[in-house]
Amino acid sequence: NAGVTQTPKFQVLKTGQSMTLQCAQDMNHNSMYWYRQDPGMGLRLIYYSASEGTTDKGEVPNGYNVSRLNKREFSLRLESAAPSQTSVYFCASSAGVAGNTIYFGEGSWLTVV
Amino acid sequence: GQQVMQIPQYQHVQEGEDFTTYCNSSTTLSNIQWYKQRPGGHPVFLIQLVKSGEVKKQKRLTFQFGEAKKNSSLHITATQTTDVGTYFCAGRDGGSQGNLIFGKGTKLSVKP
Repeated sequence: NAGVTQTPKFQVLKTGQSMTLQCAQDMNHNSMYWYRQDPGMGLRLIYYSASEGTTDKGEVPNGYNVSRLNKREFSLRLESAAPSQTSVYFCASSAGVAGNTIYFGEGSWLTVV
Repeated sequence: GQQVMQIPQYQHVQEGEDFTTYCNSSTTLSNIQWYKQRPGGHPVFLIQLVKSGEVKKQKRLTFQFGEAKKNSSLHITATQTTDVGTYFCAGRDGGSQGNLIFGKGTKLSVKP
């Protein structure tokens, strides 16, 4: 049972490069999320998709774009990476937005130099 | 907007000592969830509390939701080295359909 799978696990980018983090879930969940985690800052929501076909900004959306490709997949794109985007990124999913358990992927460690 | 504050940020205990982390919201919550993240791992759901004054136990872990639904606590009795990690609370404003807001977490270290 894979749950939430995200790739890549590790990536080093140069400033200005672009990349896409891929995420897929096999739990038939409606809602998917992208969080970033920085030391002392907890988990901050970047974007979310409450259901297939919709996406909304979270707390820290600047510098990112997302695509809900289908019900299973939700990708996060950095168009022009900046050192401030060095972080650990977690994709997550839940059955719905309201009150449901959130299941996290294993994380993607991104370094921008 | 809604804020979820969590204290302490760090806690170092000797194995066998008790540990408590506290979570406080600026608004009344519809529910609160607790997650644990092991070092190098990802957050894993522990429990959800919904009712005012609710208390739930999982072995040595006791979770409480305040009467006013604005605060919560996680208490671990007789900590073990396997309890090491960061504990997050996450709550949703009772008056909105918004997403869960996570506290910044309490990082627990346990000295054998």
